[in-house]
Amino acid sequence: DTEVTQTPKHLVMGMTNKKSLKCEQHMGHRAMYWYKQKAKKPPELMFVYSYEKLSINESVPSRFSPECPNSSLLNLHLHALQPEDSALYLCASSHGELGFTDTQYFGPGTRLTVL
Amino acid sequence: DAKTTQPTSMDCAEGRAANLPCNHSTISGNEYVYWYRQIHSQGPQYIIHGLKNNETNEMASLIITEDRKSSTLILPHATLRDTAVYYCIVKSDSNYQLIWGAGTKLIIKP
Repeated sequence: DTEVTQTPKHLVMGMTNKKSLKCEQHMGHRAMYWYKQKAKKPPELMFVYSYEKLSINESVPSRFSPECPNSSLLNLHLHALQPEDSALYLCASSHGELGFTDTQYFGPGTRLTVL
Repeated sequence: DAKTTQPTSMDCAEGRAANLPCNHSTISGNEYVYWYRQIHSQGPQYIIHGLKNNETNEMASLIITEDRKSSTLILPHATLRDTAVYYCIVKSDSNYQLIWGAGTKLIIKP
């Protein structure tokens, strides 16, 4: 089973709203990722959690706030977003052991629209 | 700078083999070649990866040249459901980052 689930599938929010994206995996993976994907572009890495600690923040604005409550869950808290933040937000997970091949498995994504 | 270069688009007839090329001339010794595909508005789907040797699984085959500077993904009997954007990716075994190419839009025609 290589399933990563994400909720919600679609989200529309205003610039003053606070919302959260959720991601879950039950593969025992210890690395989890958030990506942002704009139309006709490859995904861009935002954050990496390794063993529930933030390992990489790719200079993402503070209006995006990640959280890893446990090894199976990953959240992305959204506040005061801009219309240009509208995109497909993808979650991925991998076993997280560096020094070896480490395949990332992606969820279906959340389509976010900021009005 | 991009680590991989791919053709922007390709067509293939249904039932034929689809061969997708990728150049990665600056690949390092500890970097793997990964292939993912993305069907419209869905999450990327892992296909296959390799380091030096050719690899085959139930979805595809990966042929890596001896100098590792290029590779070809082969879908042996393409179906309409294989229409997608195919990404060739380089990944080091020492970090978490995927270095994505721009992708090839593969269209399978009846």
